[in-house]
Amino acid sequence: GENVEQHPSTLSVQEGDSAVIKCTYSDSASNYFPWYKQELGKRPQLIIDIRSNVGEKKDQRIAVTLNKTAKHFSLHITETQPEDSAVYFCAATDKLIFGTGTRLQVFP
Amino acid sequence: GVTQSPTHLIKTRGQQVTLRCSSQSGHNTVSWYQQALGQGPQFIFQYYREEENGRGNFPPRFSGLQFPNDSSELNVNALELDDSALYLCASSPTAGGQDTQYFGPGTRLTVL
Repeated sequence: GENVEQHPSTLSVQEGDSAVIKCTYSDSASNYFPWYKQELGKRPQLIIDIRSNVGEKKDQRIAVTLNKTAKHFSLHITETQPEDSAVYFCAATDKLIFGTGTRLQVFP
Repeated sequence: GVTQSPTHLIKTRGQQVTLRCSSQSGHNTVSWYQQALGQGPQFIFQYYREEENGRGNFPPRFSGLQFPNDSSELNVNALELDDSALYLCASSPTAGGQDTQYFGPGTRLTVL
C-alpha cells in the first residue's frame, strides 16, 4: 500500500546551523505535501506546504523542495533556533498518510 | 478553532468510548487520526457532509458520525489495550487530502 518514509528519526543541531528532513512517498497521485510541527503535548500545526506544480517554496527560514519524478520532498530550516525544537511530520495527503516524524533538537 | 472533548479519558478493556470534535467554522470535512506515542498520526477515516469519505486500515469497531452543526464523533467499541493513544480530529475546508488540516488538541485515551 501507499506509504511515506521520513528520515532521519532524530536530528540534533547547534543553534544557527541548518536542518534538513527528507521524505519519500509511493503514491504517484499525491499532489499536496504539507509539513507539520508538533511541540510536546500540543497539536500538529502546519508550517509550510507545497503542491505538485511547484518545485520549491520558501517562508522566511523555512523552505520545502519537491522532486515529483523521484517522489521525494524535503524540509529545510536555516539559522535554527531553540524554539525550532519539536517533532516534524511530512505528509502526502491524497490518502492522508503521514510520515513517522523527525525529532529535531536545537542546542543553544 | 478546532476543539475536542474530553481532554483525557481512562477506560477498561471491552468498554466503549465516544470522543467529540467541533470543527472550525465553515469547514465541511473532518478527519480522525490515531497517534500512538512516538508515532505519526494514522488516518482512521474522513467525513464530508455527514458521509464517510475514505477510511484507513482500522477495524469496523471504529465508527464515526458527522452532524450538520460541524461537530463529529469517533466511537470505538470493544476497547483493546492497543487503542491507548492520542486521538486527533482535523477539519479542512475541502474533502480529500488536498488542503490544510487544522488539528484539534486531541483526546488522550488510556485503556487499562
